[in-house]
Amino acid sequence: DSGVTQTPKHLITATGQRVTLRCSPRSGDLSVYWYQQSLDQGLQFLIQYYNGEERAKGNILERFSAQQFPDLHSELNLSSLELGDSALYFCASSDYRGRNYGYTFGSGTRLTVV
Amino acid sequence: SQQGEEDPQALSIQEGENATMNCSYKTSINNLQWYRQNSGRGLVHLILIRSNEREKHSGRLRVTLDTSKKSSSLLITASRAADTASYFCATDSAQGAQKLVFGQGTRLTINP
Repeated sequence: DSGVTQTPKHLITATGQRVTLRCSPRSGDLSVYWYQQSLDQGLQFLIQYYNGEERAKGNILERFSAQQFPDLHSELNLSSLELGDSALYFCASSDYRGRNYGYTFGSGTRLTVV
Repeated sequence: SQQGEEDPQALSIQEGENATMNCSYKTSINNLQWYRQNSGRGLVHLILIRSNEREKHSGRLRVTLDTSKKSSSLLITASRAADTASYFCATDSAQGAQKLVFGQGTRLTINP
């Protein structure tokens, strides 16, 4: 157990639907990062939050959004799902910029869009 | 776009041998990190080396960093079957937004 909790572990949904992925960071970490991992694109950075505020944005589609709540857990919302959105979605947490010990990753949510 | 690029993409060696993976990157960095991922699972942080460090050790792992060549290497000594995994380098850029950018990884297979 890394200390970062992601739910659900697996998700199967139809095209056009909307899903919410949830992440609870490691205790004491204020930064949360979302990554998408697919076979053809590798690990792609989506978005980062620090203590409730968005700090950095990567290759995140307009159909995707995220937020970090006052208790520091984060949710990634994926809407109008397409087949190409099928991937592993990882959440990671760290202290400020992960300079001390790097990022701690959760075990991921495997999303399958059918 | 990927900041780090690992080389080789795949490596297969016998148990007990040493494994060396290389990573090149493009921009100046605050630090470079190596992660391991077992198939379909989360990434595990292995080691972090700061831009002002040249070498770091952790158990059977040795990481070097050459900022003049924008490259790093990860050496795993006395490999074990349990080391079979994908290994990724990731860079924390000194410029722009805060994000860790990962390379495509090296798939390491240790044959018993």
